[in-house]
Amino acid sequence: EVQLVQSGAEVKQSGESLKISCKGSGYSFTSYWIGWVRQMPGRGLEWMGVIYPGDSDTRYSPSFQGQVTISADKSISTAYLQWSSLRASDTAMYYCARPGIHMITSGRYYFDSWGQGTPVIVSS
Amino acid sequence: QSALTQPPSASGSPGQSVTISCTGASSDVGGYNYVSWYQHHPGKAPKLMIYDVSKRPSGVPDRFSGSRSGNTASLTVSGLLAEDEADYYCSSYAGSNSLFVFGTGTKVTVL
Repeated sequence: EVQLVQSGAEVKQSGESLKISCKGSGYSFTSYWIGWVRQMPGRGLEWMGVIYPGDSDTRYSPSFQGQVTISADKSISTAYLQWSSLRASDTAMYYCARPGIHMITSGRYYFDSWGQGTPVIVSS
Repeated sequence: QSALTQPPSASGSPGQSVTISCTGASSDVGGYNYVSWYQHHPGKAPKLMIYDVSKRPSGVPDRFSGSRSGNTASLTVSGLLAEDEADYYCSSYAGSNSLFVFGTGTKVTVL
């Protein structure tokens, strides 16, 4: 069974750094891209970026380029989303999600597995 | 890349059908066969319901169907059940620079 298990809720102050995680299991972690999706309170889903753990190729949404860093450690099948300096506007639920296998080469542009979400609260 | 446009809400009685639209542009919805739909119950992980415009993943009831005409995709839920009450989001491939774009979301209420 494919599972994406995310790290727990975070409460931080503005200006602090943060790294949240998403551990994949039940599939070949290095064969699938993995992405991050933001949902701000009362708002819709927003795609942030994806990474291919096999070679660390990373693609960002233009809206999030330079605002966050996506990384992965294939030795422990874990992807990360990182901020160097949080803002109150980063308060949101963050989901990791796995696109279809060989997303780019085979045109599988959908997310077939999702993590449970990590709530991040940033106070000013 | 702007979010795809969905109606904020839709509703229907049990057993009826409801159709949700998702309007984009030729650079996303209309340009590629990569539209997907997700069901999101608050507090839970989103669930893939439709991919590649009209394909259903294994385990998704055939009450859910997808289609597209021009730059507008649609999700139809037939034979509404109470458990179908949720938020629904469309998504589309948006080219090599943006990859994905989501819709604004539609809250479906089963009356």
